[in-house]
Amino acid sequence: ELKVEQNPLFLSMQEGKNYTIYCNYSTTSDRLYWYRQDPGKSLESLFVLLSNGAVKQEGRLMASLDTKARLSTLHITAAVHDLSATYFCAVEPNAGKSTFGDGTTLTVKP
Amino acid sequence: NAGVTQTPKFQVLKTGQSMTLQCAQDMNHNSMYWYRQDPGMGLRLIYYSASEGTTDKGEVPNGYNVSRLNKREFSLRLESAAPSQTSVYFCASSEGPKGYEQYFGPGTRLTVT
Repeated sequence: ELKVEQNPLFLSMQEGKNYTIYCNYSTTSDRLYWYRQDPGKSLESLFVLLSNGAVKQEGRLMASLDTKARLSTLHITAAVHDLSATYFCAVEPNAGKSTFGDGTTLTVKP
Repeated sequence: NAGVTQTPKFQVLKTGQSMTLQCAQDMNHNSMYWYRQDPGMGLRLIYYSASEGTTDKGEVPNGYNVSRLNKREFSLRLESAAPSQTSVYFCASSEGPKGYEQYFGPGTRLTVT
């Protein structure tokens, strides 16, 4: 059974600081996705990582994938309040069957 | 484009009642998915349809059935609702079943009493 573990599960940051969210998974996969969910809302795609060493950046967020270590990171640079949300990673070892982590709830404080 | 739409937005059922959750997408996507999200947890895949005419079980299919009515529509049916099925249900679609980001609907909040 595939396990996807995110840590930390809760993160409180000061504005302007940097931090990294980790996503570890237990089986071979070269497809990993990051999504964002605002409270009471649906999910929005952030990044699609499809190979070992893939790195994607959008604004203050950067995601990377190390398939050998079975690890993806989501790095936040100079956090701002608008980044407060829950971030999920999802791993797709078999076509169509994604397994999600439990999410990291990020709160950015002034 | 409306993207992915779901009806209803909210529903309260009594134990043993049945209902169908509707989902439609207007992005000409081939693949569609049903997930449930319980409080404080990630999404768990119930069923998915890689392409029109095919469906397959996900992680938690028990108590549910699905129908891929056509390329646009994918419905989820609860035949005999149980309190354990109280959850938020999300429908999603993607261009294909492998290597594509998923686009999510707004969700249906279901309570079973």
